[in-house]
Amino acid sequence: DADVTQTPRNRITKTGKRIMLECSQTKGHDRMYWYRQDPGLGLRLIYYSFDVKDINKGEISDGYSVSRQAQAKFSLSLESAIPNQTALYFCATSRGLAGTLTGELFFGEGSRLTVL
Amino acid sequence: AQKVTQAQTEISVVEKEDVTLDCVYETRDTTYYLFWYKQPPSGELVFLIRRNSFDEQNEISGRYSWNFQKSTSSFNFTITASQVVDSAVYFCALSDRTSGTYKYIFGTGTRLKVLA
Repeated sequence: DADVTQTPRNRITKTGKRIMLECSQTKGHDRMYWYRQDPGLGLRLIYYSFDVKDINKGEISDGYSVSRQAQAKFSLSLESAIPNQTALYFCATSRGLAGTLTGELFFGEGSRLTVL
Repeated sequence: AQKVTQAQTEISVVEKEDVTLDCVYETRDTTYYLFWYKQPPSGELVFLIRRNSFDEQNEISGRYSWNFQKSTSSFNFTITASQVVDSAVYFCALSDRTSGTYKYIFGTGTRLKVLA
């Protein structure tokens, strides 16, 4: 089984619908992230969380919200999906190192979202 | 400013050729990490290497090698004797203490095509 699991893996929805992408991890890491991948743009950070009570906006958080339900679970919501949110979404985890240093990211398999 | 530039959008080589993927980064921080990830056609993101800013030793892992040069702010990745299985998108990433906490910034990726 994957250490970082994303559901659903693929989703097609319509404009205006609410969508939730879920992420769970068994790595025991305290830090979790949501990234969006678009062709030619690389991966861009949407939200990140360093522990259950810590939620931070990334570079492209508009139109998204998150919930850290437990150390192992981090969900991304699109309250009212729009076509330009069509993308590949990745959840990732990392362990904290000394101070605020952080180790490498471990990614889920991705959730492909299409908004019509 | 925190930035990662992968100027090579796509590279095609014939199998057994050597190929170097360039990565140039910008950061004001003196403590930072650099990473390379591989994204094969199946879509998952695979961690390849992490290098901290205090360790400029080059690293070799099988056919892969990495050249870290702080003087030119570069962290280049070389594949020796490339194989078709090396075909993927490769991302370089930087993690530094921007805004008081470590986040990851990714380059836009280089698509490598290895032809048989």
